[in-house]
Amino acid sequence: AQSVAQPEDQVNVAEGNPLTVKCTYSVSGNPYLFWYVQYPNRGLQFLLKYITGDNLVKGSYGFEAEFNKSQTSFHLKKPSALVSDSALYFCAVRDAMDSNYQLIWGAGTKLIIKP
Amino acid sequence: DGGITQSPKYLFRKEGQNVTLSCEQNLNHDAMYWYRQDPGQGLRLIYYSQIVNDFQKGDIAEGYSVSREKKESFPLTVTSAQKNPTAFYLCASSIASPLAGGPTDTQYFGPGTRLTVL
Repeated sequence: AQSVAQPEDQVNVAEGNPLTVKCTYSVSGNPYLFWYVQYPNRGLQFLLKYITGDNLVKGSYGFEAEFNKSQTSFHLKKPSALVSDSALYFCAVRDAMDSNYQLIWGAGTKLIIKP
Repeated sequence: DGGITQSPKYLFRKEGQNVTLSCEQNLNHDAMYWYRQDPGQGLRLIYYSQIVNDFQKGDIAEGYSVSREKKESFPLTVTSAQKNPTAFYLCASSIASPLAGGPTDTQYFGPGTRLTVL
């Protein structure tokens, strides 16, 4: 069965420090992986995705994520956090062989950046 | 939020009433989705549609209904059979559908509708 885990409900980081939001997944075939961000009372905004190719994916707002097949992980990273990065972050996965195109979503990680 | 609009932003429902949430997209996307978001939980799929006049149940379809008469529109009706409808509802769309054969299907989201039962 397909699944996504975001092991941390909340991550606290000081402004200017690097940040990491963790995501691990389980699929039968090759994964398509996504990160989205949600600000309060707003819809989700697409940040980045991994489909194939380079394991390091760069996305919007200076975020990047590294695909690690052996550890089945897709952690979101940013070298220097901003207070405006504070939001709820969701990881999602789809099995490339899955014909119904549905995404499996993690429960979300609340990121708090302190000035 | 791209080219996806949802209305209203806030909606209040009395017990026993049906209410309809609107979702419109001008992205020419084939696939559209409805999700429910509750505090502390991820998104749960209610219904999805990959082509006009066709839709499939998601994980929590009971108490909800949809229609897909136009490519641009995918309204969601929350019926009185839904026992706990208070939640944040999100509509999304994507290019990919089995007929189009798209491999990446990034989903783009509307701003959401917050439904509260009085």
